[in-house]
Amino acid sequence: ETGVTQTPRHLVMGMTNKKSLKCEQHLGHNAMYWYKQSAKKPLELMFVYNFKEQTENNSVPSRFSPECPNSSHLFLHLHTLQPEDSALYLCASSHPNSYEQYFGPGTRLTVT
Amino acid sequence: RKEVEQDPGPFNVPEGATVAFNCTYSNSASQSFFWYRQDCRKEPKLLMSVYSSGNEDGRFTAQLNRASQYISLLIRDSKLSDSATYLCVPNQAGTALIFGKGTTLSVSS
Repeated sequence: ETGVTQTPRHLVMGMTNKKSLKCEQHLGHNAMYWYKQSAKKPLELMFVYNFKEQTENNSVPSRFSPECPNSSHLFLHLHTLQPEDSALYLCASSHPNSYEQYFGPGTRLTVT
Repeated sequence: RKEVEQDPGPFNVPEGATVAFNCTYSNSASQSFFWYRQDCRKEPKLLMSVYSSGNEDGRFTAQLNRASQYISLLIRDSKLSDSATYLCVPNQAGTALIFGKGTTLSVSS
């Protein structure tokens, strides 16, 4: 399935590095989301964008910086992360009105 | 109080069995519901949407009881490939989906 794609699929970075995660959706949706999933824990909502505007920031530390240049693309810029930030980062998209969310395959991030 | 309550399991069943999961939700304003399945270390995938009293898709049947605020998922003729975590997700207009821990199903031969 290629409805929602994420790159890279795996990322190892040091605590002083700066990296970016990319998400692209080909479903014509207008809402995009970032979730974090740590091992054996439920998904945690991080950010919500509707029509390129951020509508929700779930008390996410500033070392995570989202960017949504258009309705099809979503980025998560990472800097000075901590080892506890190691997790699976999932992007999702939906039509604002239907709310059925479709997920990308995720980026498995390891912070060393 | 949690938004949804699901028995985490695991539910261990043999191939061919029928298994049912229940999910209770706390917010009566929830308008629709989704069942997602998530395989280990993979992304959640939408299994079924429920907008009225229920929905059926092949071996999968979801039933909604708004008066008692619970929704169930029935899986008939279980396959090995059904082994996964099943997530019940209520939806309220204007809010993002909130996911719980789900129910783990293990189907064995």
